[in-house]
Amino acid sequence: QSVLTQPPSVSAAPGQKVTISCSGSSSILGNEPVSWYQQLPGTAPKLLIYENDMRPSGTPDRFSGSKSGTAATLGITGLQTGDEGAYYCGAWDDSRRAWVFGGGTKVTVL
Amino acid sequence: QVQLVESGGGVVQPGTSLRVSCQTSGLPFNSYGMHWVRQTPGKGLEWVGFISGDAGKSQCAESVKGRVIISRDNSKNTLFLQINTLRPEDTAVYYCAGDGAHRDIDYWGQGTLVTVSS
Repeated sequence: QSVLTQPPSVSAAPGQKVTISCSGSSSILGNEPVSWYQQLPGTAPKLLIYENDMRPSGTPDRFSGSKSGTAATLGITGLQTGDEGAYYCGAWDDSRRAWVFGGGTKVTVL
Repeated sequence: QVQLVESGGGVVQPGTSLRVSCQTSGLPFNSYGMHWVRQTPGKGLEWVGFISGDAGKSQCAESVKGRVIISRDNSKNTLFLQINTLRPEDTAVYYCAGDGAHRDIDYWGQGTLVTVSS
């Protein structure tokens, strides 16, 4: 069971929007930023969002992040078939002195 | 262009040891903290451990503490992960990854598969 909680799956039609939640605790996400990782089928994870809501160069602006308290959200608008894959939130857990990931959310484009 | 290339995976017997490597290029390796992250086939990501750029600090997950050694050779831009007393549950793809400047993991290798089986 992951320390960061994500829904196992979300789905929507092409062009629609999905949101993925990531819930933590005061020791995780309370004082540390969250980052999001995209893992397309058969590939390595890739940094998608850092510091809660910042996009690295190369991340389309269809992807957005937010954080409030101990909960974070990843949004994907204008959903495309190429967005199908798994999405993970991650953060540093200062009490455990360990990096933690959410269990991952599988995005399906209907 | 940053590249991280893992090697050294394979099929190993339970109870034995294995060292995997990660050759890096395109980043200031001797000042870059590095992580190992693993992924059991079909499952999620699990952080294994971290080592600072100067190798002065390292941390490991509780699940592998006492069995894992993370080291680096800054003269060769190479990161290492040694796992001792391997167990079937250590079967996973092992990724090396860079410690970003914003409490994130910014660069990832393509991974190397370690299978622990008799």
